[in-house]
Amino acid sequence: DQQVKQNSPSLSVQEGRISILNCDYTNSMFDYFLWYKKYPAEGPTFLISISSIKDKNEDGRFTVFLNKSAKHLSLHIVPSQPGDSAVYFCAASAGAQKLVFGQGTRLTINP
Amino acid sequence: SQTIHQWPATLVQPVGSPLSLECTVEGTSNPNLYWYRQAAGRGLQLLFYSVGIGQISSEVPQNLSASRPQDRQFILSSKKLLLSDSGFYLCAWSRPPVAEAFFGQGTRLTVV
Repeated sequence: DQQVKQNSPSLSVQEGRISILNCDYTNSMFDYFLWYKKYPAEGPTFLISISSIKDKNEDGRFTVFLNKSAKHLSLHIVPSQPGDSAVYFCAASAGAQKLVFGQGTRLTINP
Repeated sequence: SQTIHQWPATLVQPVGSPLSLECTVEGTSNPNLYWYRQAAGRGLQLLFYSVGIGQISSEVPQNLSASRPQDRQFILSSKKLLLSDSGFYLCAWSRPPVAEAFFGQGTRLTVV
């Protein structure tokens, strides 16, 4: 039972362009959503989050959008930089308890 | 500031041998603690989580167990490793009501 899904295993974007990573969820009890970035052989690092009472949260080059009716969220990175190449995980929680993660999307930024 | 320590970074163990991975958190009290495993194509799978000393919830049936003997210590164990236990294991902590979890550097376990 995959409650959080990232249907694109990989994404390739040209440097300077916008990267859009998508995530869908099924559990309507989720009230907080997060994005993590992960490099090989390292633990994931927290990137940005959004509460279910909001539909957008922005932090520098990173913006997360939440569409509750569609149970969909997305992460926009603009402009994309080579250092953004990593695996990105979407995660969700209900009541600030355990985080449920998606399968991850490998983002490659091409020069 | 809070820090999380997880060791060892890499481990090669024969099939049938025991396992003990340890994780400790500094700079916070009464955290929620988690063990995740990263497997190819399945993302980060939650194995165990704990909201307090001696309180362990298991998310998936498996060959592993977890214990929390102290407030900021979380241990992942196995009595007899299987080949399928190979993977990248991650410890994490969070402090409700904040939902963000913070991860250790991970342990690459190879069972041979």
